[in-house]
Amino acid sequence: SQKIEQNSEALNIQEGKTATLTCNYTNYSPAYLQWYRQDPGRGPVFLLLIRENEKEKRKERLKVTFDTTLKQSLFHITASQPADSATYLCALANSGYSTLTFGKGTMLLVSP
Amino acid sequence: SAVISQKPSRDICQRGTSLTIQCQVDSQVTMMFWYRQQPGQSLTLIATANQGSEATYESGFVIDKFPISRPNLTFSTLTVSNMSPEDSSIYLCSVRTPGPIQETQYFGPGTRLLVL
Repeated sequence: SQKIEQNSEALNIQEGKTATLTCNYTNYSPAYLQWYRQDPGRGPVFLLLIRENEKEKRKERLKVTFDTTLKQSLFHITASQPADSATYLCALANSGYSTLTFGKGTMLLVSP
Repeated sequence: SAVISQKPSRDICQRGTSLTIQCQVDSQVTMMFWYRQQPGQSLTLIATANQGSEATYESGFVIDKFPISRPNLTFSTLTVSNMSPEDSSIYLCSVRTPGPIQETQYFGPGTRLLVL
């Protein structure tokens, strides 16, 4: 069966360090993978999209890698700040017109 | 981008009743979706709301329980019918808009539903 797995345990890091979150998937051939941020009581907010033929994508302090051989994406936040504390969701779609399937998300806590 | 509003933002309902949730978008969008997010869980797609035709439901969701309307390109409703406590959840409207990254989805703030 298809699965998207994100670490269910919260990730606690100190301000200024790099946070790395993992998304693993099985039985998908995704055309692209997305990362979203969700704050308590709010809907998810789109952060980054990376396509199957891309290895890495950057946006300001964010970096996403995509390894279709390992079936894994890594999401990095450099120079993390307490304001980065949130739940981060990865999502996959098999094509541009497919529906998105979300992982359960990993909570990130950045302490001052 | 798209700005999405949902009404109501939250509600407490009695078992056996129905609640209709409204989703309004500030621009015309091609694809509109309804998701459910149960406590501690990820988002689960209920259905794709199709303008001018019946919604496309995902496995495990049926029209009798979750009727959806989409009368135009900026508005949709989701009804949660004959509610039970298991329907307590956050219901989220989501859209895709034309643009450079067409696969990007935007989400509304959600409707938090508690069924007693």
